[in-house]
Amino acid sequence: NAGVTQTPKFRVLKTGQSMTLLCAQDMNHEYMYWYRQDPGMGLRLIHYSVGEGTTAKGEVPDGYNVSRLKKQNFLLGLESAAPSQTSVYFCASSKGQGGEKLFFGSGTQLSVL
Amino acid sequence: SQQGEEDPQALSIQEGENATMNCSYKTSINNLQWYRQNSGRGLVHLILIRSNEREKHSGRLRVTLDTSKKSSSLLITASRAADTASYFCATDAFSGGYNKLIFGAGTRLAVHP
Repeated sequence: NAGVTQTPKFRVLKTGQSMTLLCAQDMNHEYMYWYRQDPGMGLRLIHYSVGEGTTAKGEVPDGYNVSRLKKQNFLLGLESAAPSQTSVYFCASSKGQGGEKLFFGSGTQLSVL
Repeated sequence: SQQGEEDPQALSIQEGENATMNCSYKTSINNLQWYRQNSGRGLVHLILIRSNEREKHSGRLRVTLDTSKKSSSLLITASRAADTASYFCATDAFSGGYNKLIFGAGTRLAVHP
């Protein structure tokens, strides 16, 4: 049972480059989330999706875009990476809305130079 | 801003001792969850307590919730070296038409053999 899978696990970008982080879940969950984790700040919600074809902004959406074309996939894009986006990114999914337990991927360590 | 805040930020104990971590939050909640994160890994759900519950147990874990004080505590009894991890509380927050989980900054627990 794979659960939530994130790719890639590590990535180094130069300022201004773009990239896409892929999240896939095999639990048929409706809700998917992208969080970023920075030292001393816990996890902050970037964007989330309440179902296929839907996306919504979280606490820190600026500089990121997302798409949920298929129920099992949730993509996070950085159009023009900045050093402030150096972080660990986690994808999560849940059966229902926040209040339901979340299942997390193992994270993507992104460094922007 | 963080909905939940853990205290202490770091805790160091000996194997066999009990570990207590606290979480305070700001607004009314439907439920509160605790998660664990081993170094370099994603978060794993430990326990969920609903707003109408005062105490919940799961193995060596005991969670209490005091909605009048807007606080929760996580007690790990008879700690083991394998309990070394960061522990996060998460509370649900309703905004933008949906209920989402907001995480605190976490408590880093070190259990020494």
